[in-house]
Amino acid sequence: DSGVTQTPKHLITATGQRVTLRCSPRSGDLSVYWYQQSLDQGLQFLIQYYNGEERAKGNILERFSAQQFPDLHSELNLSSLELGDSALYFCASSRGSEQYFGPGTRLTVT
Amino acid sequence: EDQVTQSPEALRLQEGESSSLNCSYTVSGLRGLFWYRQDPGKGPEFLFTLYSAGEEKEKERLKATLTKKESFLHITAPKPEDSATYLCAVQDSVSGFQKLVFGTGTRLLVSP
Repeated sequence: DSGVTQTPKHLITATGQRVTLRCSPRSGDLSVYWYQQSLDQGLQFLIQYYNGEERAKGNILERFSAQQFPDLHSELNLSSLELGDSALYFCASSRGSEQYFGPGTRLTVT
Repeated sequence: EDQVTQSPEALRLQEGESSSLNCSYTVSGLRGLFWYRQDPGKGPEFLFTLYSAGEEKEKERLKATLTKKESFLHITAPKPEDSATYLCAVQDSVSGFQKLVFGTGTRLLVSP
């Protein structure tokens, strides 16, 4: 158990809808990262927050947004969902170099 | 652009048959190289961080090594419970960002 929690475990939704994925980092970790893992592309970095501020962006679509709250939990919002957004979404947290990953949210868009 | 290439894509071993997984990387400046283990449908589990060429780290049957261009994950006398996908990732020191750039992994299957 990494200490990073994610909810929900599974999400099934229709195209065009909007969903919110939630992540709670390990106690004491200020950085939160979001990654997407699809079968054809492997693990891809989306975005990083540090102590409530956006720190770095990867290839995150404009339809996706994230935020980190004062209690350090983070949410990833995905809107206008398309079939291609179906993937595993992981959150990771760190206080040093090593990133510890949560169990992921499996999103299925039908 | 940072790149990570892992080989082989898949590896099948008999229990006790030692082998090595390769991770080749291209990065403007290496801040760290990371190995993770991932079981199907689960999150990556952190194994090792290597920071400089010549460094080695060990954990049970696993040993990770690093050169200026690649890293190896040596698996000694593997057991069926070592079956998983092993992921390699790099973090560069030039951009100042802490994102990880991952390879596509090596799927390891150890048969009893």
